[in-house]
Amino acid sequence: GQNIDQPTEMTATEGAIVQINCTYQTSGFNGLFWYQQHAGEAPTFLSYNVLDGLEEKGRFSSFLSRSKGYSYLLLKELQMKDSASYLCAVRDPNSGGYQKVTFGIGTKLQVIP
Amino acid sequence: DVKVTQSSRYLVKRTGEKVFLECVQDMDHENMFWYRQDPGLGLRLIYFSYDVKMKEKGDIPEGYSVSREKKERFSLILESASTNQTSMYLCASTSLGTSGTDTQYFGPGTRLTVL
Repeated sequence: GQNIDQPTEMTATEGAIVQINCTYQTSGFNGLFWYQQHAGEAPTFLSYNVLDGLEEKGRFSSFLSRSKGYSYLLLKELQMKDSASYLCAVRDPNSGGYQKVTFGIGTKLQVIP
Repeated sequence: DVKVTQSSRYLVKRTGEKVFLECVQDMDHENMFWYRQDPGLGLRLIYFSYDVKMKEKGDIPEGYSVSREKKERFSLILESASTNQTSMYLCASTSLGTSGTDTQYFGPGTRLTVL
């Protein structure tokens, strides 16, 4: 089966750095995604990791450790517009037929002045 | 830019009605998906399709059916709507490859309320 855990809510201050953690237990692994979802809107792609290490993209970075089943999303220089839910998702090649992507419940981040 | 559109942003139906949710993508993607999203439960896969006329059950297919007659269009059907199907419904599409990002592109969502 698949199990993805991430904190439900986080609060951080504008201009600061915040780290959102995600742990997963899946029968197989073929990539981890992070999505951003503003309230009432569709999720949008942020990052993808399939090998261990850090992937940096502007103010956002994502880290993966496959041996630990662990990832984090790092947001630097927080802005008010970063207030959103952040979804961790894992692609599992052993899910039967199609390589299914399973989503965590999402972490709701509130950025305060 | 990839575009995934859904027929309605908001929909209100009555218990027992047959409901059609339409999704269209313009990127010639092979794979299309229907999810529902509920507070505390996240995104859950209802059905997906990897080709025209092909469909596979996701995690929660009960009470739903789908149709894919054309590559760009994937429809979700609630044969007899019930109140527990009140939810946000999200359509997504992605290309066939399973390497690289092959990220899913989501439509804007349809918030369905069943009274």
